[in-house]
Amino acid sequence: KQEVTQIPAALSVPEGENLVLNCSFTDSAIYNLQWFRQDPGKGLTSLLLIQSSQREQTSGRLNASLDKSSGRSTLYIAASQPGDSATYLCAVRGEYGNKLVFGAGTILRVKS
Amino acid sequence: DGGITQSPKYLFRKEGQNVTLSCEQNLNHDAMYWYRQDPGQGLRLIYYSQIVNDFQKGDIAEGYSVSREKKESFPLTVTSAQKNPTAFYLCASSINSRGYTFGSGTRLTVV
Repeated sequence: KQEVTQIPAALSVPEGENLVLNCSFTDSAIYNLQWFRQDPGKGLTSLLLIQSSQREQTSGRLNASLDKSSGRSTLYIAASQPGDSATYLCAVRGEYGNKLVFGAGTILRVKS
Repeated sequence: DGGITQSPKYLFRKEGQNVTLSCEQNLNHDAMYWYRQDPGQGLRLIYYSQIVNDFQKGDIAEGYSVSREKKESFPLTVTSAQKNPTAFYLCASSINSRGYTFGSGTRLTVV
């Protein structure tokens, strides 16, 4: 059974810092991995989608990497801003079937 | 604009009552999903449907029921058999190799 772990559970940084959020998964037979952002009381917003054949994806100040063989992904946020404060969720989709399995998330607070 | 619409945003349920959460999408996605989110926990899959008139149980299906009569709609009923229904419910859809798209959620509270 696939299990997804996100470290750290919470992170507080001053504005302007570069930071890394970590995601690990136990079964490397994945189809893709998706990073989401969730603001309090809101739905999930997709940030980046990495297919299993890809190593990384970039969008603006965000960069996500994938090491499928070791079961790891990282989300890099450059020059963090207070508006980046949210919960970041990592989710993997298995090779067989459409189901996404989620980590518990990392709560990020960027202080101004 | 294409997207997923969940309604209502807030819902209150009395003990012993069944309630239905609506999820509609205009993305032409084949697959639709219902997830439950509790504080401090990741999302857990309740039910999913890959095509019309077909659906499968997820990890926590007990006390819930769904239907998929139309491609665009995937309503979730929280029955009286669900003993702890207070949570945030999220609907999602997907197609082929693309990622998931989520709705804005329904917060259900037992009163």
